[in-house]
Amino acid sequence: DTGVSQDPRHKITKRGQNVTFRCDPISEHNRLYWYRQTLGQGPEFLTYFQNEAQLEKSRLLSDRFSAERPKGSFSTLEIQRTEQGDSAMYLCASSWGGASVRNEQFFGPGTRLTVL
Amino acid sequence: SQQGEEDPQALSIQEGENATMNCSYKTSINNLQWYRQNSGRGLVHLILIRSNEREKHSGRLRVTLDTSKKSSSLLITASRAADTASYFCATPVAGNMLTFGGGTRLMVKP
Repeated sequence: DTGVSQDPRHKITKRGQNVTFRCDPISEHNRLYWYRQTLGQGPEFLTYFQNEAQLEKSRLLSDRFSAERPKGSFSTLEIQRTEQGDSAMYLCASSWGGASVRNEQFFGPGTRLTVL
Repeated sequence: SQQGEEDPQALSIQEGENATMNCSYKTSINNLQWYRQNSGRGLVHLILIRSNEREKHSGRLRVTLDTSKKSSSLLITASRAADTASYFCATPVAGNMLTFGGGTRLMVKP
């Protein structure tokens, strides 16, 4: 399967704990995105990488959140000192950032986080 | 804040009927995309329409775009139970990130 993969698919944690999620994009894609989706809402942009450079961050990304893409391939999203409000589906997407205006993004299955 | 807003928020139809969902957006766009999401799963890209296109077809899907009204519609013809899902419109903002609407939850009854 050459699609976007995310690990884990589900994570239950206690308030105050740290969690880390991983995303493996489609191999030839140089752009990688993280989104957050709460129940009944559309996804909200968190951050975006082109290769290993983090180029954009949403105001939603508080200082408890950090994302990396060390070699321009897979990415990790870490949430420190989790709060109940962090409970959501965390979606990763990738795309090929060429000259085209298409910007089609391909999404992974998501990691559902529950903070107790 | 979300760029797009879908209408209706929920839609229930019988198998075989057509389903129409509408999306309105606020700022100028290069393209508009529609995605489908099955319950608790990731999003699947359905179709992209560029700002200089007015209509696009893909299988049973028909998308229209009216840039003067800043609106788009997604028509699913001859719906099937497997079409039951949430449908989102999305527009690229600042060239890269997608801004999604709140979605239309479609239920197709067999």
